[in-house]
Amino acid sequence: EAGVAQSPRYKIIEKRQSVAFWCNPISGHATLYWYQQILGQGPKLLIQFQNNGVVDDSQLPKDRFSAERLKGVDSTLKIQPAKLEDSAVYLCASSSPGADTQYFGPGTRLTVL
Amino acid sequence: GQQLNQSPQSMFIQEGEDVSMNCTSSSIFNTWLWYKQDPGEGPVLLIALYKAGELTSNGRLTAQFGITRKDSFLNISASIPSDVGIYFCAGQKAGTASKLTFGTGTRLQVTL
Repeated sequence: EAGVAQSPRYKIIEKRQSVAFWCNPISGHATLYWYQQILGQGPKLLIQFQNNGVVDDSQLPKDRFSAERLKGVDSTLKIQPAKLEDSAVYLCASSSPGADTQYFGPGTRLTVL
Repeated sequence: GQQLNQSPQSMFIQEGEDVSMNCTSSSIFNTWLWYKQDPGEGPVLLIALYKAGELTSNGRLTAQFGITRKDSFLNISASIPSDVGIYFCAGQKAGTASKLTFGTGTRLQVTL
């Protein structure tokens, strides 16, 4: 079974630039999550999708972050414009409906200069 | 956002030793999970706990769901070099649609 795929694995940009990350969840997983993991900390949930609908985006900085999952499968997370404090690993995870286990992708490491 | 407190923050132990770490919260959780994260990878689930007082094992790993539902503990017996990594606890509250709150992590380093 293929795992959660994310791309790119690494991205370096300058502040005020825009960046987008892509996630393809495990086949059949209806729930998709985006997490931000700052160095030395645990992952923090940014947004949770159930199919193509948003379940929780309470911790998403909506003035600069946006995410979509238009067809209920893969998802993109965008930052526009980026700030220095956005430097982090962005993790995507997916799970089956009602299941506790979230399967994480390898993450995208973003460096904002 | 809230993060659960984990201790110790890091530990350096010798191969073969037993390891203990814990996770505490100011609020109650209905499910406790323990994850391990290797460098450059996402977290991988090790153990899930669903009931206060529950003790669950997965090979050399044993975890417990605290009676107060505000803490959890993870023990690793007879550590080996591949146990190196960062261990995260995560809590889940009832009615939160599987939202996880992660701990601050415990970095484990093992010497031969």
